[in-house]
Amino acid sequence: EDQVTQSPEALRLQEGESSSLNCSYTVSGLRGLFWYRQDPGKGPEFLFTLYSAGEEKEKERLKATLTKKESFLHITAPKPEDSATYLCAVQAAGSGGSNYKLTFGKGTLLTVNP
Amino acid sequence: NAGVTQTPKFQVLKTGQSMTLQCAQDMNHEYMSWYRQDPGMGLRLIHYSVGAGITDQGEVPNGYNVSRSTTEDFPLRLLSAAPSQTSVYFCASSYSMVYGDTGELFFGEGSRLTVL
Repeated sequence: EDQVTQSPEALRLQEGESSSLNCSYTVSGLRGLFWYRQDPGKGPEFLFTLYSAGEEKEKERLKATLTKKESFLHITAPKPEDSATYLCAVQAAGSGGSNYKLTFGKGTLLTVNP
Repeated sequence: NAGVTQTPKFQVLKTGQSMTLQCAQDMNHEYMSWYRQDPGMGLRLIHYSVGAGITDQGEVPNGYNVSRSTTEDFPLRLLSAAPSQTSVYFCASSYSMVYGDTGELFFGEGSRLTVL
């Protein structure tokens, strides 16, 4: 069974204080690992897809990295508008139904204070 | 482009009532899905569809029915509502889950359901 564990559950930062969020995963074969951002009362919004160990993706103050067992979402010099819940999900490789399902973690609630 | 539109945004039901959550997308996506999100739990897949006329079960399908008669619409039916179905429901769509950049789901804004 695919599993995704995110840590910490909540993180409070001061504006400009860089940090990282962790996503550990267990999957029989990884097709892709995904990061989403969710604002209160809204649906998740796609951020990144990572396909193989060593891959990195960047978008503004966010950088996602991937190893064989975990992914990190690095936040550099965060601003209050980066406050949100960040969700990690995995898609298993293989045939049939496994292709069509994402397994999500519980998320990390990030609060950035001005 | 409206993206993924869900209605209603809020609904209160009594135990045993039935209802349909509507989902429509205008991006010509083949893949559509329904997730539920509960406090302290990740998003969990209820049902999904890979095209008109094709549906399949996800992780938590019991108590829910779906159908896909058109590419645009993917309604979720609660047959006999139970308090355990109190949740926030999200519809999501994607161009493809097996070709190209998979996993990029476009989510609706959610439907908040309370079952008394």
